[in-house]
Amino acid sequence: QVQLQESGPGLVKPSETLSLTCIVSGYSISSGYYWGWIRQPPGKGLEWIGSIYHSGNSYYNPSLKSRVTISVDTSKNQFSLRLNSVTAADTAVYYCARDKGGSSAFDVWGQGTMVTVSS
Amino acid sequence: QSALTQPASVSGSPGQSITISCTGTSSDVGGHNYVSWYQQHPGKAPKLMIDDVSDRPSGVSNRFSGSKSGNTASLTISGLQAEDEADYYCSSYTSDTARYVFGTGTKVTVL
Repeated sequence: QVQLQESGPGLVKPSETLSLTCIVSGYSISSGYYWGWIRQPPGKGLEWIGSIYHSGNSYYNPSLKSRVTISVDTSKNQFSLRLNSVTAADTAVYYCARDKGGSSAFDVWGQGTMVTVSS
Repeated sequence: QSALTQPASVSGSPGQSITISCTGTSSDVGGHNYVSWYQQHPGKAPKLMIDDVSDRPSGVSNRFSGSKSGNTASLTISGLQAEDEADYYCSSYTSDTARYVFGTGTKVTVL
């Protein structure tokens, strides 16, 4: 059974960098699929942030591309999100998910982690 | 990259059928058969209900079905049950950015 678990600080100061990691169990990232990050501000809808393949090829939401980096560590079977220069608008629940690639389908999701941007 | 348009809310009585629409453009919904639907209960992660317009992943009830006509995709829930009360989101591949866009979300209420 494939499981994803997000981890990282729940509070980040404005202008600093938000860093999250998603640990994958029950499936080897190197075996395939893309791996993505999606966020949801409180009371609002879902926003795709970006996705990465095990080879390192990555794709980002154009509205966030200048501030986002997604990386993968196949040796630890995990992938990570870095979002720099954060503001209050980046406050959201951040989800990691398995991306079926091209079909826009995320078939396995982590439970999500709330990140608040505040001084 | 604009969000796909969904009605804010849809309601129905137990046993009835409801349909949620998801309207995009020829660059996303209308241009590809890559539309997915997600169910999200409060405080929970989204759950994939439909992908590739009309395919149901294993374990998803056959009361859920998807379709598409032109630039609009639809999710139909038949035999509405109390447990179906949740938020529903569509998503699509978009050739504008070569990746994904989500819908605005629809709150389904079972009366």
